[in-house]
Amino acid sequence: AQSVTQPDIHITVSEGASLELRCNYSYGATPYLFWYVQSPGQGLQLLLKYFSGDTLVQGIKGFEAEFKRSQSSFNLRKPSVHWSDAAEYFCAVGARRDRGSTLGRLYFGRGTQLTVWP
Amino acid sequence: NAGVTQTPKFRVLKTGQSMTLLCAQDMNHEYMYWYRQDPGMGLRLIHYSVGEGTTAKGEVPDGYNVSRLKKQNFLLGLESAAPSQTSVYFCASSFYAGGADTEAFFGQGTRLTVV
Repeated sequence: AQSVTQPDIHITVSEGASLELRCNYSYGATPYLFWYVQSPGQGLQLLLKYFSGDTLVQGIKGFEAEFKRSQSSFNLRKPSVHWSDAAEYFCAVGARRDRGSTLGRLYFGRGTQLTVWP
Repeated sequence: NAGVTQTPKFRVLKTGQSMTLLCAQDMNHEYMYWYRQDPGMGLRLIHYSVGEGTTAKGEVPDGYNVSRLKKQNFLLGLESAAPSQTSVYFCASSFYAGGADTEAFFGQGTRLTVV
């Protein structure tokens, strides 16, 4: 069964420090992988996605993530965090759809809350 | 450029009352989804639809019904609300383009409290 694990419930970093949010997944084949960010009271905004090809993907707001098949991971990174990055971050796995299948959907991790100290 | 719009944004219900949440998308997406978000649980899929007139159960469908009479709309109904259905509900849509899945676009959420 598909599942996503975000081991860190809450992370605190100082502004300007580097950031890495961990994501591990369980899926029977190569998945689609996503990172979403949710600011308080807001919906989910897509940061970046991996479908195929280059395993290092660049996203918005200076974020990047690396797909490592051998480790079943898709960790999110940012070299220098800004106070406005404080939010909750969700990793998600997308089930690939076969012809005629209705399997397409997202499986979400439980989220990592990021606090940024000034 | 509305994207995915959910109405209402906030609602308080009494136990046993019914209500319908409306999701509308203007991107001509085939696929639509209803998720609920609870603290520490991430988002869990309630129901989804792969096209007009079709619906399917997700992982937490009990107590909810859905309908997709028009491609652009996906309705989530609570027939008899329970306090356990207090949550934030998100609608999303996506399309399937020539063998490749695409990202899901989310609405702003509906915060529902059942007292």
